[in-house]
Amino acid sequence: GNSVTQMEGPVTLSEEAFLTINCTYTATGYPSLFWYVQYPGEGLQLLLKATKADDKGSNKGFEATYRKETTSFHLEKGSVQVSDSAVYFCALSEGETSGSRLTFGEGTQLTVNP
Amino acid sequence: KAGVTQTPRYLIKTRGQQVTLSCSPISGHRSVSWYQQTPGQGLQFLFEYFSETQRNKGNFPGRFSGRQFSNSRSEMNVSTLELGDSALYLCASRLKAGYGYTFGSGTRLTVV
Repeated sequence: GNSVTQMEGPVTLSEEAFLTINCTYTATGYPSLFWYVQYPGEGLQLLLKATKADDKGSNKGFEATYRKETTSFHLEKGSVQVSDSAVYFCALSEGETSGSRLTFGEGTQLTVNP
Repeated sequence: KAGVTQTPRYLIKTRGQQVTLSCSPISGHRSVSWYQQTPGQGLQFLFEYFSETQRNKGNFPGRFSGRQFSNSRSEMNVSTLELGDSALYLCASRLKAGYGYTFGSGTRLTVV
């Protein structure tokens, strides 16, 4: 079956530091890949997505590139802010023609200190 | 435009009771999915509905059920509640295949 593995957290950084959260996946077909962010007490917000190999998703300074050869979709940001503190989830979606579901990673808690 | 609306936000039930949660998708979105989020199991898919038809179902017991109405609003029901059903239940909607899902803020269910 499909699965998503994220780097173990939590991650603690100082403001303006570089962020990388690793994500690798296992899928039988050609999934779409997503990063979602969850702030305390809230639902998930779509941060970025990529639907095919070599696509780069980007939003709010975050980027991730769909790497089929390494089955990875690592999240990066050049300079984090305190407001980026949240839980980040990597996810994949497959099987659009017959209904689809999101398979999520475990989530990575990010704390950014001023 | 309004986002995905879930009601109620918080709920406390007793073991053995049943509960119904409601989800109103973004206007125009016909696909609605439900997820359960717990500290131990993370985010797990419950089911997906499109045009009042269940298209996909996760690996949950039959106590978990759902439905979708003609206006795309959806409800999920959990019967004979167990302590382990305590979780954040998230609803998500999307316009159509290939688009990202928009999530609601969730319903926090506590079973005592």
